[in-house]
Amino acid sequence: DAKTTQPNSMESNEEEPVHLPCNHSTISGTDYIHWYRQLPSQGPEYVIHGLTSNVNNRMASLAIAEDRKSSTLILHRATLRDAAVYYCALAGAGSYQLTFGKGTKLSVIP
Amino acid sequence: DTAVSQTPKYLVTQMGNDKSIKCEQNLGHDTMYWYKQDSKKFLKIMFSYNNKELIINETVPNRFSPKSPDKAHLNLHINSLELGDSAVYFCASSHLGGGILANGYTFGSGTRLTVV
Repeated sequence: DAKTTQPNSMESNEEEPVHLPCNHSTISGTDYIHWYRQLPSQGPEYVIHGLTSNVNNRMASLAIAEDRKSSTLILHRATLRDAAVYYCALAGAGSYQLTFGKGTKLSVIP
Repeated sequence: DTAVSQTPKYLVTQMGNDKSIKCEQNLGHDTMYWYKQDSKKFLKIMFSYNNKELIINETVPNRFSPKSPDKAHLNLHINSLELGDSAVYFCASSHLGGGILANGYTFGSGTRLTVV
């Protein structure tokens, strides 16, 4: 299975944009890129996913590199409620599973 | 309405005991999963069931036995519990189309298992 690599931690000031990177250099052509976030003492929560094109939803934007070997989750204005661990994950065709990275702990400074 | 619910939320038990964790989803999804999250917060898949059929069984000790009585339920039974089984166990569900996970998982809130 393809692996993902993320920074262990990042900090952001409140109301500033946040760019969370993920490397997935061994991604295959049919792997979807997913992002989840986990608040303390809660289960992971789906944020966004994509295959090749950039994606936007009410929570975030996903920018996918042209070669698909990396992606960036963009939170447009960080709030204190966005402090969480953000996981990048890949879902391979026919693999019936998500393979998670180790996650980035995002701290938001008031 | 809770989409994926797990019980119990906390489970403290002695080594050697047998315990079960229950999971139910009301989303109409056809695939359910068990993930284990260790103390370093790493999420690793244990089992995956599609339409009640086991499709993924990762390298998990055979003391762990999942059971899916119907598409909405996936329970996890653990025999002869060991200290190393202490972790948070998450149930999740999704809909698979053609074997491709094109949409997100919905996770339960987790069961924190502590073996003493």
